[in-house]
Amino acid sequence: DGGITQSPKYLFRKEGQNVTLSCEQNLNHDAMYWYRQDPGQGLRLIYYSQIVNDFQKGDIAEGYSVSREKKESFPLTVTSAQKNPTAFYLCASSIVWTSGRLREQYFGPGTRLTVT
Amino acid sequence: GQQLNQSPQSMFIQEGEDVSMNCTSSSIFNTWLWYKQDPGEGPVLLIALYKAGELTSNGRLTAQFGITRKDSFLNISASIPSDVGIYFCAGLNMDTGRRALTFGSGTRLQVQP
Repeated sequence: DGGITQSPKYLFRKEGQNVTLSCEQNLNHDAMYWYRQDPGQGLRLIYYSQIVNDFQKGDIAEGYSVSREKKESFPLTVTSAQKNPTAFYLCASSIVWTSGRLREQYFGPGTRLTVT
Repeated sequence: GQQLNQSPQSMFIQEGEDVSMNCTSSSIFNTWLWYKQDPGEGPVLLIALYKAGELTSNGRLTAQFGITRKDSFLNISASIPSDVGIYFCAGLNMDTGRRALTFGSGTRLQVQP
């Protein structure tokens, strides 16, 4: 049963603590992405990775960090430097054709992070 | 960065009506994707478009990749209550060096039974 797994579904943390959100995929996709969604808003790109051991900043990378040590895993750390961390976080993955084109992109179920 | 304007922001329709929404961009895209998101869930891919002028259907959904490559639209025919949700367009042009989708702000659809 292939797909993207994000855990946990809900996460609560105290202000000042770092927290790591998990994202795992068994689709054998090369590229993985992290997005942030605020209430009533669209999706904003945090970080993305096209291959293992490589990643690029998206539009709102400040206060976040990632790693890509394995093809199937792309964890996101929300650091204490992130001013407004409470949000819905979505992980996605896609195949990238050899031509460089993206071939569809699929999302995980999301993690709702609340920081108080 | 790249901007996508999605309209309308919201729609309230009667069951059985057809729906149309669109996205426009100031820059060219070579891939357009349309997603639906239910509350508290991840977006689900509805239709993918890869070629200017392409018209693709998925059941009652039809989407087109605009000839200018700067726009796309999604139509839903004979709407039903389960069509309720937020619909997002997303575009990509890897030639710009940005190797990730840019998303529209979404169209919130409500269907009155």
